[in-house]
Amino acid sequence: KQEVTQIPAALSVPEGENLVLNCSFTDSAIYNLQWFRQDPGKGLTSLLLIQSSQREQTSGRLNASLDKSSGRSTLYIAASQPGDSATYLCAVVGGSYIPTFGRGTSLIVHP
Amino acid sequence: GAGVSQSPSNKVTEKGKDVELRCDPISGHTALYWYRQSLGQGLEFLIYFQGNSAPDKSGLPSDRFSAERTGGSVSTLTIQRTQQEDSAVYLCASSLETNEQFFGPGTRLTVL
Repeated sequence: KQEVTQIPAALSVPEGENLVLNCSFTDSAIYNLQWFRQDPGKGLTSLLLIQSSQREQTSGRLNASLDKSSGRSTLYIAASQPGDSATYLCAVVGGSYIPTFGRGTSLIVHP
Repeated sequence: GAGVSQSPSNKVTEKGKDVELRCDPISGHTALYWYRQSLGQGLEFLIYFQGNSAPDKSGLPSDRFSAERTGGSVSTLTIQRTQQEDSAVYLCASSLETNEQFFGPGTRLTVL
């Protein structure tokens, strides 16, 4: 059974810092991995999708990497802003096509 | 284009009543997922529809829960004889085949 762990569970940083959020998974036979953000009381917003054959994806200040052999993905946020404050979730899809979600990293960026 | 929509946005019901939650996926998306998110908990997978294939119901917590997807589009999640532990946010997502998932805003269910 796939297990997904996100570290740290919570993070508070001053504006302008570069951040790394971690996602690890136990079964490396994955189809894809997706990063989301969730604002309080809202649904999930897709940030980046990495297919199993890819090593990284970039969108604006966000960069996500994937290392299947070590069962890890990282989400890098450059020059963080208060508007980046949210919970960040990763989801791993394997052969069953059922996504397994981590518990998320709660991020606060203070001015 | 329109994203995934869900209705109602909030539902308050009494213990023992039945409720129906609706999800309108993005047009053309073949896959549809239902999840539950309880306070302080992660996302719990409930059910997965893919095209005309039989749905994967492995995440449904009890036989009080059921879902259908009509015409490969709109889906309804039904909870019979609701219990207080059913209180949660119910989220729907759709995707083209098994690619990027797009989520709706959720339905907050409160069972009194």
